[in-house]
Amino acid sequence: DVKVTQSSRYLVKRTGEKVFLECVQDMDHENMFWYRQDPGLGLRLIYFSYDVKMKEKGDIPEGYSVSREKKERFSLILESASTNQTSMYLCASSLRQGEGANYGYTFGSGTRLTVV
Amino acid sequence: RKEVEQDPGPFNVPEGATVAFNCTYSNSASQSFFWYRQDCRKEPKLLMSVYSSGNEDGRFTAQLNRASQYISLLIRDSKLSDSATYLCVVSNFNKFYFGSGTKLNVKP
Repeated sequence: DVKVTQSSRYLVKRTGEKVFLECVQDMDHENMFWYRQDPGLGLRLIYFSYDVKMKEKGDIPEGYSVSREKKERFSLILESASTNQTSMYLCASSLRQGEGANYGYTFGSGTRLTVV
Repeated sequence: RKEVEQDPGPFNVPEGATVAFNCTYSNSASQSFFWYRQDCRKEPKLLMSVYSSGNEDGRFTAQLNRASQYISLLIRDSKLSDSATYLCVVSNFNKFYFGSGTKLNVKP
């Protein structure tokens, strides 16, 4: 069964800490994404990557950075955690979309981060 | 304007009912369309892709109307286990846009 694995299910961190969220996929997918999901706001794209060492800002990149050193791993970094970054973080991956392609995302089970 | 808009619901229906959700999208160049299901405190999971000709998977039927820029999901013979939030997803090349979801409650 194909999988996207996020390293932690629940995480509690202090304000100002540097936080690493790890995501690994075993499907040889080119595309990887980080979203956060908040009640009433839906899924919001933070960063995405279409290839190794490649990254692009999503809709809400402020306060975050990412790293993709290997195809299967996409890390989200909170440089200095703040309380407004308390959220559910979801990693997803997909094949590269092509002409006529209709590939969906596969999501990890999410990391519920609380910043205190 | 949001890329993808959905009625948040909730839709409260009895078991056995037929229920339909619509979703509109703003970018006429959108290429791929999907419905995802998300259970409470879980990750979204792909329910079905939506093809131009429409497609069916058991009790679920998805339709795409490119002229009016909307997609729909029809659920027949609703089960208690269909209770969830249904997310409409539209992609343009490699970028996906999610609706905020429509909540469905199926009651005994």
